[in-house]
Parts: sequence; C-alpha cells; structure tokens
Amino acid sequence: DVKVTQSSRYLVKRTGEKVFLECVQDMDHENMFWYRQDPGLGLRLIYFSYDVKMKEKGDIPEGYSVSREKKERFSLILESASTNQTSMYLCASTVGPSMETQYFGPGTRLLVL
Amino acid sequence: QKEVEQDPGPLSVPEGAIVSLNCTYSNSAFQYFMWYRQYSRKGPELLMYTYSSGNKEDGRFTAQVDKSSKYISLFIRDSQPSDSATYLCAMSLYNQGGKLIFGQGTELSVKP
Repeated sequence: DVKVTQSSRYLVKRTGEKVFLECVQDMDHENMFWYRQDPGLGLRLIYFSYDVKMKEKGDIPEGYSVSREKKERFSLILESASTNQTSMYLCASTVGPSMETQYFGPGTRLLVL
Repeated sequence: QKEVEQDPGPLSVPEGAIVSLNCTYSNSAFQYFMWYRQYSRKGPELLMYTYSSGNKEDGRFTAQVDKSSKYISLFIRDSQPSDSATYLCAMSLYNQGGKLIFGQGTELSVKP
C-alpha cells in the first residue's frame, strides 16, 4: 500500500521562527510536491522536485525553500514564519512524468502566532 | 480570473440523490483532468482520471470532460452519507510532469 507521511499533523510556531516540514514517501517516486491549502483558494503549488537535489518553483514560492537530499524525503522550510503562512500544508508524490496519480500525505496544519 | 473555477458550495443533498459537481477552466491546453476526494482532516485521494474529452464511469461515479466548452463534471449516483467530503477538480497540461492546477473544492454533505 502506497504511503506518504508527514512529520507532524499539527504545529504551532511563533512569528520569525524557522520551520521545517518533512515529507517521506515509500514508493520510490521521482516527483514530489508541496502545496498549501486555504479556504476558498484550493491547493496552490509551492515547490516541486523531479529528482534528488533538484527543485522547481511552483506558483507561490515566496517565503519558502525546499530540500531534497534523498529520493524519499522532501522538506519544506519556512525561513522566518509569518502569520500569513498559517495554513494546511500537503505533500504529494508521483512516479515519473505520469500525472495519472498524485498520492497525498495527510497534511500538516500549521498555526503561526 | 482564476485558471480553474469551482463552486465552493457547501452543497447539501438527501441520501440517494444524484449529485453534479462542476469546474470550468480557461486554458484550452489542459489535457488531463482529475477529480480528488478529500475527507475532513485527510489528504486528497484520486477519484477519477480522464485524458482529453469524453466520459468515464467507475461504479456510482461518472466524469465528463467537454473541452469545447472548457467544462468538466463529476456525477455521483445514489449518493451516500459516506460521500460527504470536499471534491477537488484538477487539471494538467501535457508533459508537465505531474504539475496540477486545482479548483477551490466543493464541500458536499449527503444527509441520511
């Protein structure tokens, strides 16, 4: 059974803190994605990666960075958290260039105070 | 104007009703169309996937794509309380390596 896991389900951080969100997939997928989900806005792509050490900006990369040192792990970093980064963060992965299936993790609900 | 528009609802129907969920889009180059279902406090899961125009049926679910009108639909027959969830449409350009554009999601509630 395919599995995408995220390090935390709920996280509370203070403005200015550096925040790490971790995502791990056990399907040997090449492609991994980070989205944020906000009411009325749907899912918006932050960053994605096609391979180890490769990254591409999505639609809303400002204030975020990513790291992919190993194929199975894709980290999202908030360099200096701000209140407007309070959101649900979803990680996904898919195999090869096929977009037929993206498998999502359960999400991390981040609150920045 | 958003690239993909979806009525956020909420939509409330009685058990057994036929549900119609819809999305419109502006980019005629989209080739791949998907519907995801997201239960409360869970990640989205793929429900239906279609390439280009046409219909696809899977049990009680039917996905329709009308590229000429830039309009996609998901029909749920004999809706059940377990169908209560948020439904997200998503679409992608050819050869975009899995990069999807999502609609806002429609919250559906099926009442027993």
